Amino acid sequence: KNQVEQSPQSLIILEGKNCTLQCNYTVSPFSNLRWYKQDTGRGPVSLTIMTFSENTKSNGRYTATLDADTKQSSLHITASQLSDSASYICVVSADFEVDSSYKLIFGSGTRLLVRP
Amino acid sequence: DTGVSQDPRHKITKRGQNVTFRCDPISEHNRLYWYRQTLGQGPEFLTYFQNEAQLEKSRLLSDRFSAERPKGSFSTLEIQRTEQGDSAMYLCASKWTGSSEAFFGQGTRLTVV
Repeated sequence: KNQVEQSPQSLIILEGKNCTLQCNYTVSPFSNLRWYKQDTGRGPVSLTIMTFSENTKSNGRYTATLDADTKQSSLHITASQLSDSASYICVVSADFEVDSSYKLIFGSGTRLLVRP
Repeated sequence: DTGVSQDPRHKITKRGQNVTFRCDPISEHNRLYWYRQTLGQGPEFLTYFQNEAQLEKSRLLSDRFSAERPKGSFSTLEIQRTEQGDSAMYLCASKWTGSSEAFFGQGTRLTVV
């Protein structure tokens, strides 16, 4: 069964601190993995997208890693800011060439709260 | 604004009423997706279109739900005889076939009372 699991479910950190969010997946065939940031009451916004051959990708203070062998990804946030408070969702894409369907399989997200 | 737009942003309805949501994708995107998201959960796939053709429907999409994309541009999602369990955020996303990037709208939050 295609699944994406994230940990922790929620996290509270102090402003300025770093944190790392985890994502484990069992999705086949794997196409790519993205991290989205979702503010409360809004749609998800893409932070990074990584294909099978990419190990690390950065977007400002966000750095995502991917280990395709162990099927694990992490999102590291450096020098957190109050505006980083949001849900962070790991999404794995499964491309089924046979019927050309394209599915995004979502994790439940990690809710991050950054406190002053 | 050239992103994905959804209307309305919020909808409160009484149980048993019908509701319709609209999604306007990014203009050159031929694929359009509908997702449902309940509080504290990630979005769940409902259905997707390639141009005007509805290619897949999730088992979550009961017969009270219907989606259309008549001209391959905007899409509507209708829920008939709403139930309290339908309360959720309904998200629309669009992409171009050749791209791996999907863009989401702001969502429509439905509350059934």
